[in-house]
Amino acid sequence: NAGVMQNPRHLVRRRGQEARLRCSPMKGHSHVYWYRQLPEEGLKFMVYLQKENIIDESGMPKERFSAEFPKEGPSILRIQQVVRGDSAAYFCASSPPEGRGNEQFFGPGTRLTVL
Amino acid sequence: AQSVAQPEDQVNVAEGNPLTVKCTYSVSGNPYLFWYVQYPNRGLQFLLKYITGDNLVKGSYGFEAEFNKSQTSFHLKKPSALVSDSALYFCARGGAGSYQLTFGKGTKLSVIP
Repeated sequence: NAGVMQNPRHLVRRRGQEARLRCSPMKGHSHVYWYRQLPEEGLKFMVYLQKENIIDESGMPKERFSAEFPKEGPSILRIQQVVRGDSAAYFCASSPPEGRGNEQFFGPGTRLTVL
Repeated sequence: AQSVAQPEDQVNVAEGNPLTVKCTYSVSGNPYLFWYVQYPNRGLQFLLKYITGDNLVKGSYGFEAEFNKSQTSFHLKKPSALVSDSALYFCARGGAGSYQLTFGKGTKLSVIP
């Protein structure tokens, strides 16, 4: 059973470009979460999605950031017009649908560098 | 708001000695508590969790943690440290009212040969 997959693992963008980060959850998992890790910091929750629905986006910046989890295909975290402050590691996690007590399984992360 | 504190940025321990990585959580409802480990340039790996039941929870790689409600703590422990345990450890909490996890800032564990 493959784990959570994220690509690309490393992404370099210049200021003003768009960044697209992809996440494929573990098989059988229908809940996807995105977290951001800044240097020397813990992970900060961004958004929680189920198939075709955004359930909780309370951690998402109001502008330039969006997320989706379509019926088919991976979840996408999109950052428009990137700025240097967006440089961070972005982790995706997934969990099965049975309940809130389930641990979340994390992918290897995408390390975004904005030049 | 939920919060998690890891009071030590770094813990150094000699190989073979017991280790403790500390975690305290905010008092808000019934917490779900987790420990994760992160190796360099890797994602987080789940170690153990407390939801309900026995206060002493056993997890992967010989780690265990004790839920202490009166002290609002959930310290991670291992009786005998290995050099390969050197990594970044994160405590996190969830709760019945939320799916998101709130993480501490992490504690860097260094096990010295």
